[in-house]
Amino acid sequence: DTGVSQDPRHKITKRGQNVTFRCDPISEHNRLYWYRQTLGQGPEFLTYFQNEAQLEKSRLLSDRFSAERPKGSFSTLEIQRTEQGDSAMYLCASSLAGVSTQYFGPGTRLTVL
Amino acid sequence: EDQVTQSPEALRLQEGESSSLNCSYTVSGLRGLFWYRQDPGKGPEFLFTLYSAGEEKEKERLKATLTKKESFLHITAPKPEDSATYLCAVDDQGGSEKLVFGKGTKLTVNP
Repeated sequence: DTGVSQDPRHKITKRGQNVTFRCDPISEHNRLYWYRQTLGQGPEFLTYFQNEAQLEKSRLLSDRFSAERPKGSFSTLEIQRTEQGDSAMYLCASSLAGVSTQYFGPGTRLTVL
Repeated sequence: EDQVTQSPEALRLQEGESSSLNCSYTVSGLRGLFWYRQDPGKGPEFLFTLYSAGEEKEKERLKATLTKKESFLHITAPKPEDSATYLCAVDDQGGSEKLVFGKGTKLTVNP
C-alpha cells in the first residue's frame, strides 16, 4: 500500500529564489490538497484539485504561489521570489471524491534564508 | 467562519495515567470531524473520522467521541510511544472541501 509521497523532504533556499515541490497522491485518489503548517499551528488550507481541475484557492495563496496537476495524477506547488515568511512545512493530502477523509504525506520543510 | 479550539495546548502524563483531550468546534453543518496524530517533522497520520453526535470509535488505547459541539480523544493507560501532537479538524458541509484544523495538543507520556 503506497501512501502519499512528497519530494523533496527538505529544501533550503535563499530569499528571492524560486522553489518547486512535488506531491504524488494515493493512486486511486482523485482529490489532492495542499496545506501549509508553521511551528505550533495546525495545517492551513492552500488549494485543492479534483482530477486536473483546481477548484478552490485560499486567500493565503498569493500570486507568488502556483499549483498544477497536469494529468490528474501528481501535483506541483511552485513558490516564486521566496520570502522568509514562506518558511514552513508544506503538506500534501489526497482523498476520494465523496469521502472526506484526507491522507497526508510526510511534508516538505522549506527554509528561506 | 469555521473554528476549532483544542485544549489543553500541552499535557504531560505518567505512563498508565489515563486522560482526555478536547476539541470544540463551530461549523454551519458538520460533514466530518477528524483526529490525526503528528510526530515531530512528519505529516499528520490519520486516526479517526466521526460523522454524527453520539458516534464513538476506538483504536488500541485511543477512543474518540463526538457531541454536537465538541469531540474528545480519550487515552487509556498511555505509553511513552503515544507521545505526539494530536490534531483535530472539521469538514464543513458549507461547500468548501478544505479541512479546518485546531492548533493541536502536545502530549508527552513519561515512563
